[in-house]
Amino acid sequence: AQSVSQHNHHVILSEAASLELGCNYSYGGTVNLFWYVQYPGQHLQLLLKYFSGDPLVKGIKGFEAEFIKSKFSFNLRKPSVQWSDTAEYFCALLHGSGNTGKLIFGQGTTLQVKP
Amino acid sequence: GAGVSQSPSNKVTEKGKDVELRCDPISGHTALYWYRQSLGQGLEFLIYFQGNSAPDKSGLPSDRFSAERTGGSVSTLTIQRTQQEDSAVYLCASSRGGGSNQPQHFGDGTRLSIL
Repeated sequence: AQSVSQHNHHVILSEAASLELGCNYSYGGTVNLFWYVQYPGQHLQLLLKYFSGDPLVKGIKGFEAEFIKSKFSFNLRKPSVQWSDTAEYFCALLHGSGNTGKLIFGQGTTLQVKP
Repeated sequence: GAGVSQSPSNKVTEKGKDVELRCDPISGHTALYWYRQSLGQGLEFLIYFQGNSAPDKSGLPSDRFSAERTGGSVSTLTIQRTQQEDSAVYLCASSRGGGSNQPQHFGDGTRLSIL
C-alpha cells in the first residue's frame, strides 16, 4: 500500500536557522509529490509539487524540496526560516496513477520558529 | 467567493445524532474531495467527486458516512448516528479537474465534536 512518513513531528528552530523536514514515501511506480502548509487558523496551501523533470523543486516563500528516488524521499528545505514560517507542514503523495487526484498525506510536522 | 467555502465552521452534537456538512467548491472546479483530519490519524482521504459522480469513495470509514454532490457544485457529507470517534476536522478541496496536474484548493474545514 502507498504511504507517506514524516519523521519529525515537532521541530523548534530559532529565526535564521536552516530547515529540513523529512518525508519518505512508499510506492514503486511513478510518483507525484507535494508539500502543503497550514498556517495557524488558515487553510491548507500548496507550497510546491514534483511531477517529473528536475528533482530539485522550488516553491513559494523560499522553500524547496529535493526528490531522491533511490531514497524514496522528498525532503523540504529552507536556508533561513522566519517567525512567519511557524505552521504545520504536510507531505503528500498522489495515489496510484493519479487519475483521481486522491492525496495520501503524512502525519504532518509542526514547525515552531522562535523570534 | 474566491475560495472553497465550508459550513458550518464548527459543529457540536450529541452521540447518535445525524450531521450534515456542506462544501461550496471554487466556481468551475469539477473535482471535489473530502478529507478528514483527526488526532492520531493525520489527514485521510474520504471521497472524490468528478462532477456529480463519485468514482472513488474508498475512504469512507463506514456505511454511516455518505456524500452527494448536486449540479456539479455543492457537496454535502452526511454522518448518521454519530460516534465519538467521528470527532475531527472535515476538509473539502476542489480542483479544475481530477488528476495529478490540477492543484487542490482546500477550505477552512468543519470542526466536528461529538459529545
